[in-house]
Amino acid sequence: RKEVEQDPGPFNVPEGATVAFNCTYSNSASQSFFWYRQDCRKEPKLLMSVYSSGNEDGRFTAQLNRASQYISLLIRDSKLSDSATYLCVVYNYGQNFVFGPGTRLSVLP
Amino acid sequence: EAGVVQSPRYKIIEKKQPVAFWCNPISGHNTLYWYRQNLGQGPELLIRYENEEAVDDSQLPKDRFSAERLKGVDSTLKIQPAELGDSAVYLCASSFGQGAGGTEAFFGQGTRLTVV
Repeated sequence: RKEVEQDPGPFNVPEGATVAFNCTYSNSASQSFFWYRQDCRKEPKLLMSVYSSGNEDGRFTAQLNRASQYISLLIRDSKLSDSATYLCVVYNYGQNFVFGPGTRLSVLP
Repeated sequence: EAGVVQSPRYKIIEKKQPVAFWCNPISGHNTLYWYRQNLGQGPELLIRYENEEAVDDSQLPKDRFSAERLKGVDSTLKIQPAELGDSAVYLCASSFGQGAGGTEAFFGQGTRLTVV
């Protein structure tokens, strides 16, 4: 079993739709959590950090459930420009950033 | 501020040939990572440096892969000899310190390696 798992995707949604991505991690000692975005043939870039209290950045909301070892990302009112692969990332102090396989999103006109 | 710089961007080599990738991290970032990303998958760690020390190379195929970060700044990753299965994107990333909470890894644009 991989340390970080995500919805396999791809997700194809119309503009304006709300879409949610799920992620689970196996290492209960993990301390920091992130969502990265990767455009086609580009490098991953930080979308947002994920905090225990949940956090929101415009149309994006991230949630963390440490007891269930579960992370989510919600995108509201999706735009064509949101089309990308979304990578769930777990960081263990003094160790490494561990990436999930990614979930590809296509927002359709 | 300059980001993580990698070169070359693309490399096509024949199998059994050697190849080297170079990375210059963001100034002041003491942690440097080399990741490999296969098509349709997330990046997977090859090696992590804290300054000039390789602190995690457990996933590095040491029979053919080597890496160095001599002065604790830029780094090179080498494959010798390359195999067809080494075709992938090799990503370098850097971060500042090891602090939990808010630590972000910044990535370079990667080197796309094709072994033919």
